[in-house]
Amino acid sequence: QLQLQESGPGLVKPSETLSLTCTVSGGSIISGSYYWGWIRQPPGKGLEWIGSILYSGSTHYNPSLKSRVNISVDPSKNQYSLNLSSVTAADSAVYYCAASGFNYGISAYFYWGQGTLATVS
Amino acid sequence: DIVLTQSPVTLSLSPGERATLSCRASQTVSTNYLTWYQQKPGQAPRLLIYAASTRATGIPDRFSGSGSGTDFTLTISRLEPEDFVVYYCQQSGTFGGGTKVEIK
Repeated sequence: QLQLQESGPGLVKPSETLSLTCTVSGGSIISGSYYWGWIRQPPGKGLEWIGSILYSGSTHYNPSLKSRVNISVDPSKNQYSLNLSSVTAADSAVYYCAASGFNYGISAYFYWGQGTLATVS
Repeated sequence: DIVLTQSPVTLSLSPGERATLSCRASQTVSTNYLTWYQQKPGQAPRLLIYAASTRATGIPDRFSGSGSGTDFTLTISRLEPEDFVVYYCQQSGTFGGGTKVEIK
């Protein structure tokens, strides 16, 4: 059973970069079976897809965030990371890492982390 | 970009009743890439239905998905107390705004 766990600072200053890491257990991040993604949810609001990465390094980003987002994979640690630059209060949200089944592209996140709250202030 | 519109925003029903949730896409989407999630307060979303109509492992059979083209539906045949939460549809990099199912 795949398990994902987010980690990173809970508080980030405006204009700085938000950096989060997702540690994967129960499977290899380079197995090719999943697209590894990030989704966020501002308090009391809906879900917003941020982007996804395949083990090969191929990435897909939300066009509205593309200029500020970078997702990378670290196979040696079985982790992948999110960097979101030039943050503002609007980027305050619970950030989830999640895994989408390869056959369904970035459209079926079968496994989710518990989420981590990141506040910009 | 595809826009997913979920309706109604809020659905007020009683336990045991049937719930019908709609997800409408702004353009035709592949059924292989239409997914439904359930989210309980304080928890991560849980995948219910993928490829428009396939139940994920462990999901009760009272949940079913249907549709094609631009119109998709999540049906809960008989609402249980734990089903009164929020539901989202997703297609690729877009989520719908969600439908909250509340107790009438």
